[in-house]
Amino acid sequence: EIVMTQSPATLSVSPGERATLSCRASQGVSGNLAWYQQRPGQAPRLLMYRTSTRATGVPPRFSGGGSRTNFTLSISSMQSEDFAVFFCQQYDDWPFTFGGGTKVEIK
Amino acid sequence: VQLVQSGGGLVKPGGSLRISCAASGLALNSAWLNWVRQAPGKGLELVGRIRSKIDGGATDFTAPVKGRFTISRDDSKNTVTLQMDSLKTEDTAVYFCAAGDDIRYFDYWGQGTLVTVSS
Repeated sequence: EIVMTQSPATLSVSPGERATLSCRASQGVSGNLAWYQQRPGQAPRLLMYRTSTRATGVPPRFSGGGSRTNFTLSISSMQSEDFAVFFCQQYDDWPFTFGGGTKVEIK
Repeated sequence: VQLVQSGGGLVKPGGSLRISCAASGLALNSAWLNWVRQAPGKGLELVGRIRSKIDGGATDFTAPVKGRFTISRDDSKNTVTLQMDSLKTEDTAVYFCAAGDDIRYFDYWGQGTLVTVSS
């Protein structure tokens, strides 16, 4: 099973600032990496797939990058609605696995 | 697409519980429907999935629940059900059903259902 590790666990960012989240896979996942955003009390929402393709309706301030085992999600200018928990997911190999999450909080 | 869940609740260790996921805007017999759980304050964990009818309709489960959980589909009601038997305290979580335009990642999610296993 591929283990996904996210860092940092918590990121404190001021509104308008840039946030960069990291996700590392225990083995190469060939770019088969998705990101989700989860607000409190809600289901996760798909943000990104295939490392860097934004899902429908996701604003361009969200961008994804990386390859093989190291991936990033960047939010260029944090808006109030962006503060949430973010999870990465590899879908290169079953069972698909998620990272432990990064909570982005208001500084 | 909307996925609406029902069922769940409180059960004693060793007991059974069922959660259903009803879809609108999506024919579940044409989709791979997944179950993902989230223990309190924890991350996301895939539990299992049922393949589309055209792909054979088989089910796959992850190690922690294999042999205890089953997934079935009712095409007449456009519903998928997660049957959970021999429940353990560590199965306590919010359970989500999820599906996607691609079978491997998930655009559509149910609202989540809390399952609490406690004596």
